[in-house]
Amino acid sequence: QVQLVESGGGLVKPGGSLRLSCAASVFSFNDFSMSWIRQAPGKGLEWISYISSSGSAVSYADSVKGRFTVSRDNAKNSLYLQMNSLSAEDTAVYYCARYTRAFDIWGQGTMVTVSS
Amino acid sequence: DIVMTQTPLSLSVTPGQPASISCKSSQSLLHSDAKTYLYWYLQKPGQPPQLLIYEVSKRFSGVPDRFSGSGSGTDFTLKISRVEAEDVGIYYCMQSTQLPLTFGGGTKVDI
Repeated sequence: QVQLVESGGGLVKPGGSLRLSCAASVFSFNDFSMSWIRQAPGKGLEWISYISSSGSAVSYADSVKGRFTVSRDNAKNSLYLQMNSLSAEDTAVYYCARYTRAFDIWGQGTMVTVSS
Repeated sequence: DIVMTQTPLSLSVTPGQPASISCKSSQSLLHSDAKTYLYWYLQKPGQPPQLLIYEVSKRFSGVPDRFSGSGSGTDFTLKISRVEAEDVGIYYCMQSTQLPLTFGGGTKVDI
């Protein structure tokens, strides 16, 4: 079964950093673009980043631009999100998703809590 | 940025009855390639969102035919012909015609 599994979430202090990972299985990871989407507690969905299948093209929401960096390792079937200068507004469940113009496969998400 | 506005915010339905959700975009979602990149997702309680409808009206694999999508330009609708108990959750529309990708605020459907 096609699967995405996120990891790396946790509690971090304001101003701190965290690196999320997303492991893909079953499908040909290097053929697909990927994205990160987050959902603050009790709130809606917010797209935050995109990376092309080769990793040569990336894009970010304004809310994270300059603080977050998306990358991938196709040899390891893995997607990453480096998050720096975190604030309380970044508290959310972070999902990775396969992007085919739609988000057709989602992971279960990993919770990131930014609090002192 | 393209703003996606969903109505209503919430919907209480009776099993077996129809339901309809509206999604309006602040700009036309018709892409220069002649496709319209409008999608519908359902997020069931405690789960990640799941894709229901892609490109306005195409049902994703495994989605029951009681779900249908329609619309064009800036006005779109998701219809459930006969609501079932398993359809409860929050429905989101989303556009990928233009970056940044944007979601509607969601419509909560309960029984």
